[in-house]
Amino acid sequence: EDKVVQSPLSLVVHEGDTVTLNCSYEVTNFRSLLWYKQEKKAPTFLFMLTSSGIEKKSGRLSSILDKKELFSILNITATQTGDSAVYLCAVEVSGTYKYIFGTGTRLKVLA
Amino acid sequence: GAVVSQHPSWVICKSGTSVKIECRSLDFQATTMFWYRQFPKQSLMLMATSNEGSKATYEQGVEKDKFLINHASLTLSTLTVTSAHPEDSSFYICSASLADTQYFGPGTRLTVL
Repeated sequence: EDKVVQSPLSLVVHEGDTVTLNCSYEVTNFRSLLWYKQEKKAPTFLFMLTSSGIEKKSGRLSSILDKKELFSILNITATQTGDSAVYLCAVEVSGTYKYIFGTGTRLKVLA
Repeated sequence: GAVVSQHPSWVICKSGTSVKIECRSLDFQATTMFWYRQFPKQSLMLMATSNEGSKATYEQGVEKDKFLINHASLTLSTLTVTSAHPEDSSFYICSASLADTQYFGPGTRLTVL
């Protein structure tokens, strides 16, 4: 059965800290891995990763994929209270547009 | 950028009634849309894949007679929760794909009394 597992489930840090969120997957026909940030409503897109070892970066956020070990990490440096959210990882199944979501990591950044 | 809208954003209904939720792609055509359900503090759970002009594909454990999906045009999919009960109370989110990116609607919060 295809599955996506995120860890930790929940994380509390102080402003300025760096956090690393993990996403591992077992998906039969992998196409891409995506990271989303979800605050109060629907998720907003952060990154899409398709190739191993190529880091994607956007401001203080970065992400990388390891297709051999079947995982991805999302790094957030110099965290701010506005980074508090649930971060979702999803894997797209090839040929289907179907996305399998992980459980999410709930990040809380304290001032 | 691509925009997906949902209507209504919030609905309260009595047990036993049916509720229709609309999902529209505003500036692009989507042959495939997806319906997700999210319980508080939990991840998104894919309910079904909505295909324009054909029957929806439901995930295991999702009752197709309870959650009716109609994808009548390339820009509109509807989810009807039939004979809603309190356990159907949830946050329902739709999405549509465009150029390898999934765009989510803002979600509809359903509360069944």
